[in-house]
Amino acid sequence: DQQVKQNSPSLSVQEGRISILNCDYTNSMFDYFLWYKKYPAEGPTFLISISSIKDKNEDGRFTVFLNKSAKHLSLHIVPSQPGDSAVYFCAARFNDYKLSFGAGTTVTVRA
Amino acid sequence: DAGVTQSPTHLIKTRGQQVTLRCSPKSGHDTVSWYQQALGQGPQFIFQYYEEEERQRGNFPDRFSGHQFPNYSSELNVNALLLGDSALYLCASSLEGGSGRYYGYTFGSGTRLTVV
Repeated sequence: DQQVKQNSPSLSVQEGRISILNCDYTNSMFDYFLWYKKYPAEGPTFLISISSIKDKNEDGRFTVFLNKSAKHLSLHIVPSQPGDSAVYFCAARFNDYKLSFGAGTTVTVRA
Repeated sequence: DAGVTQSPTHLIKTRGQQVTLRCSPKSGHDTVSWYQQALGQGPQFIFQYYEEEERQRGNFPDRFSGHQFPNYSSELNVNALLLGDSALYLCASSLEGGSGRYYGYTFGSGTRLTVV
C-alpha cells in the first residue's frame, strides 16, 4: 500500500539555505496532507498540514506546496537551521483517521 | 501537560510468544491509534480505538489485537510473534471532533520490539 512516496531517502543542506523535501501520492481521494518531523528516540511531531483544496500553506520558516494535478507536494524550509536535522515524513488521509505515511527523508543541515 | 506515554520503551521476545504494549493518551484525548514502523519505512496504520471499540483497521492479521479502557488508555497485543514483527510500535492520540483531523496527531516515543 505505497500510496505515499518519498523518493529521496536523504538530503544534505548548508545552514541558512533552503531545504526542499518532495512527496508523491497516488490516491486522488486524499483530503489532507501532513508533514511530521522525527528525532531519534522520539515519536513523530506534527509540523504543518495542507488541505487538498489549497495549494500553499505557510507557517514561519515552513511552507508546504500542493500540486494536485501532479499528485505532488513539497515542504520548503527557509532558512535551514541545525535543529532541522531530522527525519521528515509526508503523510496523507482521506475521509477517515488513518494516516498513510511515506518512508521518510533524512535531512542533515551542515554548519 | 503529559504527552502520549508508551511502555515499555524496549522489549525483546522470542518467536511464537505473545506481547502486550501499553499507551496512555495525551490528557484530554479520547482516541488512540497504533502504528508499526519497520526499519527504514514510514509508520503503517494498525488500528484505531474510540469509545472502547476498534473503529478502523489497517492491513494487519488477526494476530494483532487491541483494547481501549474507560480511561482512554489502550493496549496492543500481538500473538504468535514472528521475526517480521520486529519494529517500533507507535501510539498516537487525538480528540474526536478536535483539531487532530487537520493538525495531526500526538505521537508517543514508541516501543521498540525485537523478536529473536
